[in-house]
Amino acid sequence: DTGVSQDPRHKITKRGQNVTFRCDPISEHNRLYWYRQTLGQGPEFLTYFQNEAQLEKSRLLSDRFSAERPKGSFSTLEIQRTEQGDSAMYLCASSSIEPNTGELFFGEGSRLTVL
Amino acid sequence: TQLLEQSPQFLSIQEGENLTVYCNSSSVFSSLQWYRQEPGEGPVLLVTVVTGGEVKKLKRLTFQFGDARKDSSLHITAAQPGDTGLYLCAGVGSGTYKYIFGTGTRLKVLA
Repeated sequence: DTGVSQDPRHKITKRGQNVTFRCDPISEHNRLYWYRQTLGQGPEFLTYFQNEAQLEKSRLLSDRFSAERPKGSFSTLEIQRTEQGDSAMYLCASSSIEPNTGELFFGEGSRLTVL
Repeated sequence: TQLLEQSPQFLSIQEGENLTVYCNSSSVFSSLQWYRQEPGEGPVLLVTVVTGGEVKKLKRLTFQFGDARKDSSLHITAAQPGDTGLYLCAGVGSGTYKYIFGTGTRLKVLA
């Protein structure tokens, strides 16, 4: 198993464009999380899935953000009409239900720069 | 809204010194974790504490969960340059698997 992988690692876009990030979790993991992190700060919760169900979504998330996990495997995070304030590292993490150790395994993140 | 405040925000110390990082909240958590993150990488789990008053040791690192399960501390003895990184606490409430991360403590250990 290669761990959690995220793509792309870096994305530079112009304000107003749409961007999509992909996360492939560890294969047997049922839960998948998206976080946003700015430099030197702790990760900010965006949303999480258990299998294909989106169980919680941050109220901080505007309607420009949408996440999907259609088959309970990989997930995508789309940001529409990007703004400069969206510039951040977007982290994906996964965890298993059995055994339920509670450990989050993170990918290396997708860094977004909005010009 | 559950918030986890960490202090100090930054810490720069000499190799061999001891330090303590604090993680505080007004909310009760069913469990609390500590992660370390290095530049360009995702956070990596150090420890999970689940019982109020619990103390766990990991080599030179000692973790404590507050009796009321609202706060935690991380103590490093004889810090080494390899301990340099961003330390994050993360809590999860009851009935959910939503992990809330703290504000982070950036540690630099100078040789």
